Amino acid sequence: DTGVSQDPRHKITKRGQNVTFRCDPISEHNRLYWYRQTLGQGPEFLTYFQNEAQLEKSRLLSDRFSAERPKGSFSTLEIQRTEQGDSAMYLCASSSGLGPGELFFGEGSRLTVL
Amino acid sequence: AQTVTQSQPEMSVQEAETVTLSCTYDTSESDYYLFWYKQPPSRQMILVIRQEAYKQQNATENRFSVNFQKAAKSFSLKISDSQLGDAAMYFCAYRDAGNMLTFGGGTRLMVKP
Repeated sequence: DTGVSQDPRHKITKRGQNVTFRCDPISEHNRLYWYRQTLGQGPEFLTYFQNEAQLEKSRLLSDRFSAERPKGSFSTLEIQRTEQGDSAMYLCASSSGLGPGELFFGEGSRLTVL
Repeated sequence: AQTVTQSQPEMSVQEAETVTLSCTYDTSESDYYLFWYKQPPSRQMILVIRQEAYKQQNATENRFSVNFQKAAKSFSLKISDSQLGDAAMYFCAYRDAGNMLTFGGGTRLMVKP
């Protein structure tokens, strides 16, 4: 296992379409996070899972966004009826939850909404 | 809510010189963790260094060290002997007993040959 992987790396879609991103965390990590990053800004927290339970959700996450982690392993982030403002890099990170709780990040999924 | 502020949008350093990146944070907690992450262009974010708030000694990792001033809520990163590969966005981040990292806005570091 080489780290956190995300797919697809880049998605271009038209406004109003639905998109789904997948994240595969480091296998022994029980915590999984989704962040959103716009150009030149720091990552903003979206949501957090411990195993399969979604424990925290940011106010940034509108009703059009839904995240799942059905078996406590990989996670999906779906955006319905995309808007141009959804264009961003979507980062996934995982953590063992031990000690300082260092997050290990994937390379991100870049979304462009035309 | 906790906030993390990086007041320097961009910094520049000559290769082999030393540069310091600033970070301040706001919290009412006494126990927390602070991190510096590096994000090279089109590459994933990686951890550079971390500091536990209960430790008085400043963390060091090879050419990277921090100046942690708990009372002032300041957490600066010093990079010594800067290398071209150090060019990247650097993010300061805070975590308390909860599970969420809060990031600053980032500092873009340019290294001149």
